[in-house]
Amino acid sequence: EAGVTQFPSHSVIEKGQTVTLRCDPISGHDNLYWYRRVMGKEIKFLLHFVKESKQDESGMPNNRFLAERTGGTYSTLKVQPAELEDSGVYFCASSQEIPGNSGNTIYFGEGSWLTVV
Amino acid sequence: SQKIEQNSEALNIQEGKTATLTCNYTNYSPAYLQWYRQDPGRGPVFLLLIRENEKEKRKERLKVTFDTTLKQSLFHITASQPADSATYLCALPPGGSYIPTFGRGTSLIVHP
Repeated sequence: EAGVTQFPSHSVIEKGQTVTLRCDPISGHDNLYWYRRVMGKEIKFLLHFVKESKQDESGMPNNRFLAERTGGTYSTLKVQPAELEDSGVYFCASSQEIPGNSGNTIYFGEGSWLTVV
Repeated sequence: SQKIEQNSEALNIQEGKTATLTCNYTNYSPAYLQWYRQDPGRGPVFLLLIRENEKEKRKERLKVTFDTTLKQSLFHITASQPADSATYLCALPPGGSYIPTFGRGTSLIVHP
């Protein structure tokens, strides 16, 4: 069974440009999460989808970030325009159930490493 | 708001010994607490979940304890091996949420 896949694995863009990160969750997982880790900090929650609906987007830093999950399958996270402080690694994760319930494992992808110069 | 504290200093131990990592949290007790392993350049890998009404959970060489009075979880790896070297992350949901929030992690280095 394929795990959570993310694309691109690495991206270097200039300040002001746009980047779109893609995440394919494990097939059948309704719950999809985006997290990010900036240098020297902990992994921070960005948002949570249940199927195509945004369940919790309290962690989104500002309106330069837009996440979508049309059709409830893969998700994209667009950063427009990118700023230097957006550099870091963006993790996508998925789960069958929400954490704490039975089937409580969250599976993470390997991350998309973004460098804004 | 909930704060998660993990020792930022790396833990160095000798192969065969038991590694013990600590996760402390402030404020209210979470409904559950998770431990993850992360290798350099990789995503976190879920290891164990322990619920607030459980005191201990085991999985092979791993053992997790949860003390809601001390607001602390301990993560033990018995008979440690160099392959256990990684960063171990503690995660728990903040109040009013079910989504795990992560600590900064503690690096474990097991020497042969």
